[in-house]
Amino acid sequence: NAGVTQTPKFRVLKTGQSMTLLCAQDMNHEYMYWYRQDPGMGLRLIHYSVGEGTTAKGEVPDGYNVSRLKKQNFLLGLESAAPSQTSVYFCASSYYGDTQYFGPGTRLTVL
Amino acid sequence: KQEVTQIPAALSVPEGENLVLNCSFTDSAIYNLQWFRQDPGKGLTSLLLIQSSQREQTSGRLNASLDKSSGRSTLYIAASQPGDSATYLCAVRPPNGSGNTGKLIFGQGTTLQVKP
Repeated sequence: NAGVTQTPKFRVLKTGQSMTLLCAQDMNHEYMYWYRQDPGMGLRLIHYSVGEGTTAKGEVPDGYNVSRLKKQNFLLGLESAAPSQTSVYFCASSYYGDTQYFGPGTRLTVL
Repeated sequence: KQEVTQIPAALSVPEGENLVLNCSFTDSAIYNLQWFRQDPGKGLTSLLLIQSSQREQTSGRLNASLDKSSGRSTLYIAASQPGDSATYLCAVRPPNGSGNTGKLIFGQGTTLQVKP
């Protein structure tokens, strides 16, 4: 089992550019989450999904969109990147809201 | 609104020392509390999960306690080793309420350094 994987590991964007972060899990988990981690702020929930085809907003959803077309994948999109979105992004999954398993993270810099 | 706080932000101890990491939360209505470990540049690894009905959980040299009424949890690490050096985060899962989402609210973490 690969667990939770994230693509890419690093990315540098210019302000206004768009990109998609991919999260994949092979544990047949129903629930998936996207967090961002900033110094001194801990992890904050951006969006989450409780099943294929469903998405919901978390604590800091503005500027991000998500899709869960397949159970194993959860995509996070930035339509027009801003410097305030410079962060480390983590994806996590859980079976039905119990222990969450995290991916290795994507370090994003927006210039 | 639930808030989770971890103090201190950083801690340095000599190898072999027993230590306690603290986590406090403002709303005692929780579903469970989890402790995670994060190594530099890595993701989070779950260490212990305490259900709201439990008082403590143990795994090897780690023991986590939960006191809901006072809004506190502690992570006890016995006989610390340099390999324990990492950031430790606690996270609270609110009650299911309007639906089971499994959302977590994280503290900022305590960065532990164990010196040889």
